[in-house]
Amino acid sequence: NAGVTQTPKFQVLKTGQSMTLQCAQDMNHNSMYWYRQDPGMGLRLIYYSASEGTTDKGEVPNGYNVSRLNKREFSLRLESAAPSQTSVYFCASSGLATGVYEQYFGPGTRLTVT
Amino acid sequence: RKEVEQDPGPFNVPEGATVAFNCTYSNSASQSFFWYRQDCRKEPKLLMSVYSSGNEDGRFTAQLNRASQYISLLIRDSKLSDSATYLCVVNTNAGKSTFGDGTTLTVKP
Repeated sequence: NAGVTQTPKFQVLKTGQSMTLQCAQDMNHNSMYWYRQDPGMGLRLIYYSASEGTTDKGEVPNGYNVSRLNKREFSLRLESAAPSQTSVYFCASSGLATGVYEQYFGPGTRLTVT
Repeated sequence: RKEVEQDPGPFNVPEGATVAFNCTYSNSASQSFFWYRQDCRKEPKLLMSVYSSGNEDGRFTAQLNRASQYISLLIRDSKLSDSATYLCVVNTNAGKSTFGDGTTLTVKP
């Protein structure tokens, strides 16, 4: 039982390049999330998927797209990377347990855009 | 005004001290509440859920006051290993969470 896994762990991009961050969970959770965390700051929600086949914008969706490929996988795509997207990206999943939604996080992807 | 606000600290306390963190939220429709812990450059991890009746897990006690829209976390007998950032989290709708910016705690020998 690996929980939430993310690939890659580290990435350096040049401005304008594109890439996809991968996330998978093996806990049979319905909901999945993408957050970014800038140095010294809290987590900000980029996109989330309440269930397979649905996605919704979070607080900071501009410059990103997502795909909920199946129940297990939720990917985040940067179409044209910008230095402002330098951040740590966390994927999380949650399922209804004891009536509340507890989130479980992956180890993060550290992205630098030059 | 942010939906979830925390005192950023930092809190610097000696081993064995008792320390309390506070968190306020603005959405009265909020349904569930949590405290997470985040170590430097690591992912957040669930510390405990917060229930209206208050709940305790060892040295940690969480309280919720719905009328005042206020959550607290009390840590007794602080250990060096408690040094981390503590995040207050509020769920306003099923499956969507809002995180506070976190309170940093350093426990010193």
